[in-house]
Amino acid sequence: AQKITQTQPGMFVQEKEAVTLDCTYDTSDPSYGLFWYKQPSSGEMIFLIYQGSYDQQNATEGRYSLNFQKARKSANLVISASQLGDSAMYFCAMREAIISNFGNEKLTFGTGTRLTIIP
Amino acid sequence: EADIYQTPRYLVIGTGKKITLECSQTMGHDKMYWYQQDPGMELHLIHYSYGVNSTEKGDLSSESTVSRIRTEHFPLTLESARPSHTSQYLCASLGTAGGGYTFGSGTRLTVV
Repeated sequence: AQKITQTQPGMFVQEKEAVTLDCTYDTSDPSYGLFWYKQPSSGEMIFLIYQGSYDQQNATEGRYSLNFQKARKSANLVISASQLGDSAMYFCAMREAIISNFGNEKLTFGTGTRLTIIP
Repeated sequence: EADIYQTPRYLVIGTGKKITLECSQTMGHDKMYWYQQDPGMELHLIHYSYGVNSTEKGDLSSESTVSRIRTEHFPLTLESARPSHTSQYLCASLGTAGGGYTFGSGTRLTVV
């Protein structure tokens, strides 16, 4: 079963509008963390924002905010006032423990959403 | 500036060649990871290491091998490259549990 689900393969958004990228996750571990990364066409992974499972408030980083709804197991990324430079692939990822290797962890990624900002 | 470096950035190589993708980090991180990513697709963990002389296979089966002789260095080797190995390979490191991951710029491998 998919641990990270991103249901929007692609999105087109008008410049300066806000955009929400969906992410749902599945875990039985009470301690976990959720990341959002941006991947431009050049291929590097750019860290955007992080939310820990015990964090009481939604994470914010500049124009990025994470709408964390723990009971629904969703961690949507909100980009306010989108810019042309926001066009890229966006990946949601979850940190989880490696069961067979106590004390170690890994990142599991969703399939990504390709965001295109229209001028 | 502390960072993680991958070389080469791009590689086009013939079938059957042996190749090594380099990954080095200057942050003293114990945990390092290799991910494989086909164009426009998700990242899959193929190898990880939690310290010197420790390596483990990831979630996606891979014909590549890795080594960790020094903390800062985590190279990935393909003994005999095939067109099915064409992909992007991303290296990452993690300093402490609960901390942030740092990714390299990736190596785009094309096997012809």
